[in-house]
Amino acid sequence: EAGVTQFPSHSVIEKGQTVTLRCDPISGHDNLYWYRRVMGKEIKFLLHFVKESKQDESGMPNNRFLAERTGGTYSTLKVQPAELEDSGVYFCASSDSNYGYTFGSGTRLTVV
Amino acid sequence: GQNIDQPTEMTATEGAIVQINCTYQTSGFNGLFWYQQHAGEAPTFLSYNVLDGLEEKGRFSSFLSRSKGYSYLLLKELQMKDSASYLCAVRALYSGAGSYQLTFGKGTKLSVIP
Repeated sequence: EAGVTQFPSHSVIEKGQTVTLRCDPISGHDNLYWYRRVMGKEIKFLLHFVKESKQDESGMPNNRFLAERTGGTYSTLKVQPAELEDSGVYFCASSDSNYGYTFGSGTRLTVV
Repeated sequence: GQNIDQPTEMTATEGAIVQINCTYQTSGFNGLFWYQQHAGEAPTFLSYNVLDGLEEKGRFSSFLSRSKGYSYLLLKELQMKDSASYLCAVRALYSGAGSYQLTFGKGTKLSVIP
């Protein structure tokens, strides 16, 4: 089966611009998660979708971040406007239960 | 909150055995995961422990002691391709959200040398 796909793999944007990251989970996985790793820090939870609903968004840093999962398939994470501290690697993971998580390769976001 | 500690770096020789430790403090514990991550790639699942004891899977084994808040990942017959970061992650139930969250340690960078 195809794995979790993230696009783009790299993005360099200027402070104040908007960036949208996309995640295509494994087909049939109801659970979709976004995580972020800032340089030198651990991977941190951002939010969790069950199908199209936000189950838990307690990890979202602020209202500049907006995640959607229309139709319960792929998900997007928009950062608007981007700030320097948003730089990092954004990972997506999907699961068909609360047990096995499959991660994507991540999107490396650099805000300059 | 959660706190997960693991060594930052380790070096071991090809063919040897290495043990990577992980200690954690958490409430609502619901399992501990080990992931392997090569640079620029996705973390890949290695093992899952929810009960005390040892889980063995080929060259990799993982141990858990819930009372001690302690786990280790044991890698045997090390190969050069095992050079990677190894991430310890604890899953816990956040009652406020009714959801499980994975909390990661910073990872242990393992270098396997000839």
